[in-house]
Amino acid sequence: AQSVSQHNHHVILSEAASLELGCNYSYGGTVNLFWYVQYPGQHLQLLLKYFSGDPLVKGIKGFEAEFIKSKFSFNLRKPSVQWSDTAEYFCAVNAYGGSQGNLIFGKGTKLSVKP
Amino acid sequence: GAGVSQSPRYKVAKRGQDVALRCDPISGHVSLFWYQQALGQGPEFLTYFQNEAQLDKSGLPSDRFFAERPEGSVSTLKIQRTQQEDSAVYLCASSLDRGANTGELFFGEGSRLTVL
Repeated sequence: AQSVSQHNHHVILSEAASLELGCNYSYGGTVNLFWYVQYPGQHLQLLLKYFSGDPLVKGIKGFEAEFIKSKFSFNLRKPSVQWSDTAEYFCAVNAYGGSQGNLIFGKGTKLSVKP
Repeated sequence: GAGVSQSPRYKVAKRGQDVALRCDPISGHVSLFWYQQALGQGPEFLTYFQNEAQLDKSGLPSDRFFAERPEGSVSTLKIQRTQQEDSAVYLCASSLDRGANTGELFFGEGSRLTVL
Protein backbone atom coordinates (compact mmCIF):
# COMPACT_ATOMS: atom_id res chain seq x y z
CA ALA A 1 0.00 0.00 0.00
CA GLN A 2 1.13 3.51 -0.70
CA SER A 3 2.28 5.54 2.27
CA VAL A 4 3.85 8.87 3.10
CA SER A 5 6.36 9.38 5.90
CA GLN A 6 7.20 12.70 7.46
CA HIS A 7 10.29 12.41 9.59
CA ASN A 8 9.72 15.11 12.15
CA HIS A 9 6.66 15.45 14.32
CA HIS A 10 7.53 18.85 15.77
CA VAL A 11 10.24 21.28 14.70
CA ILE A 12 11.12 24.39 16.69
CA LEU A 13 13.20 27.11 15.04
CA SER A 14 14.15 30.69 15.67
CA GLU A 15 13.31 33.34 13.12
CA ALA A 16 15.76 33.51 10.20
CA ALA A 17 16.81 29.89 10.64
CA SER A 18 16.71 27.62 7.62
CA LEU A 19 14.04 24.95 7.34
CA GLU A 20 13.99 21.51 5.81
CA LEU A 21 11.10 19.13 6.40
CA GLY A 22 11.50 15.59 5.21
CA CYS A 23 8.95 13.61 3.21
CA ASN A 24 9.32 10.14 1.76
CA TYR A 25 6.74 8.11 -0.05
CA SER A 26 6.42 4.49 -1.00
CA TYR A 27 5.25 3.94 -4.55
CA GLY A 28 7.28 2.81 -7.50
CA GLY A 29 5.32 4.44 -10.27
CA THR A 30 4.62 7.98 -11.36
CA VAL A 31 3.37 10.26 -8.62
CA ASN A 32 2.04 13.75 -8.15
CA LEU A 33 3.40 15.37 -5.01
CA PHE A 34 2.02 18.13 -2.81
CA TRP A 35 2.76 20.09 0.31
CA TYR A 36 -0.21 21.50 2.17
CA VAL A 37 -0.07 23.90 5.11
CA GLN A 38 -2.52 24.52 7.93
CA TYR A 39 -2.04 27.76 9.83
CA PRO A 40 -3.50 27.90 13.35
CA GLY A 41 -7.29 28.06 13.19
CA GLN A 42 -7.38 27.89 9.41
CA HIS A 43 -8.12 25.29 6.77
CA LEU A 44 -5.59 23.25 4.84
CA GLN A 45 -4.23 25.06 1.82
CA LEU A 46 -1.87 24.16 -0.99
CA LEU A 47 1.71 25.33 -0.58
CA LEU A 48 3.21 23.81 -3.70
CA LYS A 49 2.89 20.86 -6.06
CA TYR A 50 4.96 18.77 -8.42
CA PHE A 51 3.56 16.99 -11.45
CA SER A 52 6.50 16.78 -13.88
CA GLY A 53 9.42 18.74 -15.25
CA ASP A 54 11.92 20.64 -13.12
CA PRO A 55 12.25 18.67 -9.87
CA LEU A 56 12.82 21.88 -7.92
CA VAL A 57 9.43 23.43 -7.33
CA LYS A 58 8.81 26.89 -5.95
CA GLY A 59 5.68 27.66 -3.99
CA ILE A 60 4.15 30.53 -2.12
CA LYS A 61 5.81 32.49 0.67
CA GLY A 62 9.36 31.55 -0.32
CA PHE A 63 8.93 27.79 0.09
CA GLU A 64 10.44 25.30 -2.31
CA ALA A 65 10.60 21.53 -2.55
CA GLU A 66 12.86 19.15 -4.39
CA PHE A 67 11.68 15.89 -5.89
CA ILE A 68 14.41 13.24 -5.82
CA LYS A 69 13.00 10.21 -7.59
CA SER A 70 15.84 7.87 -6.61
CA LYS A 71 15.22 8.61 -2.95
CA PHE A 72 11.42 8.71 -3.17
CA SER A 73 11.64 12.06 -1.42
CA PHE A 74 9.99 15.46 -1.69
CA ASN A 75 11.55 17.61 1.03
CA LEU A 76 10.28 21.08 1.79
CA ARG A 77 12.74 23.92 2.32
CA LYS A 78 12.82 27.59 3.18
CA PRO A 79 16.07 29.55 3.58
CA SER A 80 14.84 31.85 6.33
CA VAL A 81 11.68 31.21 8.35
CA GLN A 82 9.44 33.84 9.84
CA TRP A 83 7.20 33.73 12.89
CA SER A 84 4.22 33.69 10.52
CA ASP A 85 5.38 30.31 9.16
CA THR A 86 4.25 28.68 12.39
CA ALA A 87 1.83 26.03 11.13
CA GLU A 88 1.42 22.33 10.48
CA TYR A 89 2.81 21.04 7.19
CA PHE A 90 1.51 17.97 5.38
CA CYS A 91 3.14 16.14 2.52
CA ALA A 92 0.74 14.32 0.18
CA VAL A 93 1.00 11.96 -2.75
CA ASN A 94 -1.37 10.92 -5.49
CA ALA A 95 -0.26 7.84 -7.35
CA TYR A 96 -0.78 8.32 -11.07
CA GLY A 97 -3.15 5.69 -12.30
CA GLY A 98 -4.53 5.09 -8.87
CA SER A 99 -7.80 6.36 -7.59
CA GLN A 100 -8.25 9.89 -8.75
CA GLY A 101 -9.60 10.92 -5.42
CA ASN A 102 -7.13 9.29 -3.16
CA LEU A 103 -4.62 11.84 -1.97
CA ILE A 104 -2.47 10.14 0.66
CA PHE A 105 -1.23 12.42 3.42
CA GLY A 106 1.63 12.08 5.86
CA LYS A 107 1.01 12.60 9.56
CA GLY A 108 2.21 16.17 9.41
CA THR A 109 5.03 18.20 10.92
CA LYS A 110 4.23 20.96 13.32
CA LEU A 111 6.57 23.94 12.90
CA SER A 112 6.93 26.46 15.70
CA VAL A 113 8.98 29.58 14.94
CA LYS A 114 10.17 31.59 17.90
CA PRO A 115 10.28 35.38 17.37
CA GLY B 1 -19.44 31.09 -1.92
CA ALA B 2 -15.87 32.13 -1.42
CA GLY B 3 -14.70 28.80 -0.08
CA VAL B 4 -15.74 25.34 1.01
CA SER B 5 -18.24 25.56 3.83
CA GLN B 6 -18.86 22.79 6.34
CA SER B 7 -21.48 22.45 9.02
CA PRO B 8 -21.74 21.94 11.85
CA ARG B 9 -18.25 23.03 12.88
CA TYR B 10 -18.59 21.09 16.13
CA LYS B 11 -20.81 18.15 16.94
CA VAL B 12 -21.04 16.18 20.15
CA ALA B 13 -22.94 12.91 19.90
CA LYS B 14 -23.73 10.17 22.34
CA ARG B 15 -22.55 6.74 21.34
CA GLY B 16 -25.17 5.13 19.14
CA GLN B 17 -26.59 8.36 17.74
CA ASP B 18 -26.68 9.12 14.03
CA VAL B 19 -24.96 12.26 12.74
CA ALA B 20 -25.02 14.12 9.44
CA LEU B 21 -22.24 16.43 8.30
CA ARG B 22 -22.79 18.85 5.45
CA CYS B 23 -20.38 20.21 2.87
CA ASP B 24 -20.99 23.10 0.48
CA PRO B 25 -18.22 23.03 -2.11
CA ILE B 26 -17.03 25.95 -4.17
CA SER B 27 -19.60 26.64 -6.88
CA GLY B 28 -18.78 24.86 -10.13
CA HIS B 29 -16.28 22.46 -8.63
CA VAL B 30 -16.61 19.05 -10.19
CA SER B 31 -14.85 16.92 -7.60
CA LEU B 32 -15.66 16.58 -3.92
CA PHE B 33 -13.71 14.64 -1.33
CA TRP B 34 -14.24 13.61 2.27
CA TYR B 35 -11.33 12.98 4.59
CA GLN B 36 -11.14 11.92 8.24
CA GLN B 37 -8.44 13.41 10.44
CA ALA B 38 -7.87 11.83 13.82
CA LEU B 39 -5.93 13.69 16.49
CA GLY B 40 -2.24 13.85 15.65
CA GLN B 41 -2.71 12.24 12.26
CA GLY B 42 -2.87 13.41 8.70
CA PRO B 43 -6.13 13.42 6.75
CA GLU B 44 -7.23 9.98 5.59
CA PHE B 45 -9.29 9.54 2.45
CA LEU B 46 -12.88 8.44 2.86
CA THR B 47 -14.69 8.95 -0.44
CA TYR B 48 -14.70 10.92 -3.70
CA PHE B 49 -17.43 12.26 -5.95
CA GLN B 50 -17.23 13.49 -9.49
CA ASN B 51 -20.39 15.54 -9.88
CA GLU B 52 -23.12 13.31 -8.40
CA ALA B 53 -21.29 10.05 -9.02
CA GLN B 54 -19.48 8.45 -6.11
CA LEU B 55 -16.42 7.10 -7.91
CA ASP B 56 -14.49 5.83 -4.92
CA LYS B 57 -15.69 4.91 -1.46
CA SER B 58 -12.85 2.62 -0.57
CA GLY B 59 -11.86 4.68 2.46
CA LEU B 60 -15.17 4.49 4.29
CA PRO B 61 -14.28 2.53 7.45
CA SER B 62 -17.54 0.62 7.80
CA ASP B 63 -21.05 0.33 6.46
CA ARG B 64 -22.09 2.81 9.15
CA PHE B 65 -20.59 5.53 6.98
CA PHE B 66 -22.55 6.79 4.01
CA ALA B 67 -22.02 9.79 1.74
CA GLU B 68 -24.13 11.33 -0.97
CA ARG B 69 -24.06 14.23 -3.39
CA PRO B 70 -27.42 13.90 -5.12
CA GLU B 71 -27.34 17.01 -7.29
CA GLY B 72 -23.63 17.24 -7.82
CA SER B 73 -23.20 20.15 -5.43
CA VAL B 74 -23.83 19.87 -1.68
CA SER B 75 -22.70 16.65 -0.04
CA THR B 76 -23.67 14.97 3.20
CA LEU B 77 -21.61 12.47 5.16
CA LYS B 78 -23.78 10.38 7.44
CA ILE B 79 -22.51 8.24 10.27
CA GLN B 80 -24.96 5.81 11.81
CA ARG B 81 -24.74 4.42 15.32
CA THR B 82 -21.66 6.47 16.15
CA GLN B 83 -18.81 4.90 18.10
CA GLN B 84 -16.07 6.55 20.12
CA GLU B 85 -13.51 5.70 17.45
CA ASP B 86 -15.47 7.90 15.03
CA SER B 87 -14.32 10.97 16.96
CA ALA B 88 -12.27 13.01 14.50
CA VAL B 89 -12.31 16.07 12.30
CA TYR B 90 -14.12 15.39 9.04
CA LEU B 91 -12.72 17.45 6.19
CA CYS B 92 -14.42 18.19 2.93
CA ALA B 93 -12.50 19.39 -0.11
CA SER B 94 -13.46 20.32 -3.63
CA SER B 95 -11.60 20.67 -6.87
CA LEU B 96 -12.38 22.27 -10.20
CA ASP B 97 -10.68 19.37 -11.94
CA ARG B 98 -11.58 15.73 -12.16
CA GLY B 99 -9.84 14.03 -9.29
CA ALA B 100 -7.06 14.91 -6.92
CA ASN B 101 -4.18 14.27 -9.25
CA THR B 102 -4.80 17.11 -11.64
CA GLY B 103 -5.02 20.12 -9.45
CA GLU B 104 -5.46 21.84 -6.19
CA LEU B 105 -7.88 20.72 -3.51
CA PHE B 106 -9.68 23.44 -1.58
CA PHE B 107 -10.46 22.35 1.95
CA GLY B 108 -13.14 23.44 4.35
CA GLU B 109 -12.42 24.08 8.00
CA GLY B 110 -13.80 20.72 8.99
CA SER B 111 -16.47 19.35 11.27
CA ARG B 112 -15.11 18.17 14.61
CA LEU B 113 -17.11 15.19 15.86
CA THR B 114 -16.80 14.06 19.45
CA VAL B 115 -18.58 10.86 20.42
CA LEU B 116 -19.11 10.37 24.15
